[in-house]
Amino acid sequence: AQTVTQSQPEMSVQEAETVTLSCTYDTSESDYYLFWYKQPPSRQMILVIRQEAYKQQNATENRFSVNFQKAAKSFSLKISDSQLGDAAMYFCAYGANSGYALNFGKGTSLLVTP
Amino acid sequence: DTGVSQDPRHKITKRGQNVTFRCDPISEHNRLYWYRQTLGQGPEFLTYFQNEAQLEKSRLLSDRFSAERPKGSFSTLEIQRTEQGDSAMYLCASSHPRTGNYGYTFGSGTRLTVV
Repeated sequence: AQTVTQSQPEMSVQEAETVTLSCTYDTSESDYYLFWYKQPPSRQMILVIRQEAYKQQNATENRFSVNFQKAAKSFSLKISDSQLGDAAMYFCAYGANSGYALNFGKGTSLLVTP
Repeated sequence: DTGVSQDPRHKITKRGQNVTFRCDPISEHNRLYWYRQTLGQGPEFLTYFQNEAQLEKSRLLSDRFSAERPKGSFSTLEIQRTEQGDSAMYLCASSHPRTGNYGYTFGSGTRLTVV
């Protein structure tokens, strides 16, 4: 079974600074997808960034980038120039290429201070 | 495109009662998913529909749970004889084959409280 582990229940960052959220996963599959989702309080889950395992290049979306280490099964999210609107729960998720169900970690609560 | 709509947003029910939730996916999204999210946890997969066919079910979907998607449009999730452990946020997501695997758009969820 695939498992996703987020070891940081809470993180804090000052506005305009950079923060890195950690995620590790376990799988025996070779072809899969990894995701970071953002869930603001009482609002819907939004996709932040997506990484295909076969791609060596790390995905980047504006201020958000990942460090994908396939051999180490590590998938961290870096948020640069943090903004107050980045405050939310962040979930790391894994999906096998052969399936349709995402496996989520327990989440990291990100606090952004002025 | 009005997004994925879920109704109701909140539901409080007494233990033992039946409840039904509705999800309206984005039009033209033929794939629909249900997840359950309990406090302090990430969402857990419940079931997946492609058009009207239910193609995958989690073992979390006990006999008290049933999901349908008649005509491949909206979907309903029914919980019979609710238990306190059913208290959770129930999330619906939909996707279009063009967006590939896991190209989800999530709804805002239905929060169920069983008292």
